[in-house]
Amino acid sequence: DAGITQSPRYKITETGRQVTLMCHQTWSHSYMFWYRQDLGHGLRLIYYSAAADITDKGEVPDGYVVSRSKTENFPLTLESATRSQTSVYFCASSEDRAYSGANVLTFGAGSRLTVL
Amino acid sequence: AQSVTQPDIHITVSEGASLELRCNYSYGATPYLFWYVQSPGQGLQLLLKYFSGDTLVQGIKGFEAEFKRSQSSFNLRKPSVHWSDAAEYFCAVHNFNKFYFGSGTKLNVKP
Repeated sequence: DAGITQSPRYKITETGRQVTLMCHQTWSHSYMFWYRQDLGHGLRLIYYSAAADITDKGEVPDGYVVSRSKTENFPLTLESATRSQTSVYFCASSEDRAYSGANVLTFGAGSRLTVL
Repeated sequence: AQSVTQPDIHITVSEGASLELRCNYSYGATPYLFWYVQSPGQGLQLLLKYFSGDTLVQGIKGFEAEFKRSQSSFNLRKPSVHWSDAAEYFCAVHNFNKFYFGSGTKLNVKP
């Protein structure tokens, strides 16, 4: 199916465990993003990627690791989960229209992570 | 640094009433502006966008927004709200391939 898919949709884990959230898009969009959504904070950018093998930090990168070996995949890893990382995580993608600025973000359905 | 402010955390309107959700941004150049809507348990869906040109833009579901440079605002409006419009609404600014979001306004619709 075309679109952007996140997995798992729901995950419960324990403090100190490693967790990986997967994101897959079928449009060959250049840009991919990870956001977390918390009450009162809206969406905050964790990491983003401009292309395969190019990633950069967003507003709240601490405690997270990303990789992008293929254009279509952008996994987010919590190497040692903490309770403060309990959140809803959204993956998004957009085309590369840097010069026109006419990018539009398209979101996945989200992954709800609970860290006990 | 860019910032987006949505001053209203919650708004309640009666079905059929008009709606205006406020958004102010802080950005030096001409911004690219967006409104997204999030229904409960769902991802975010694009309502409308402003890149340039006419400052009044039309979106899906009967929404419109007006860009006012002098007020650094991009308020979202709808003339007659439907119960299905109950959701959370996010304003966003795009700059250098990053998007900055406001904290959201949750809309409740009374019957």
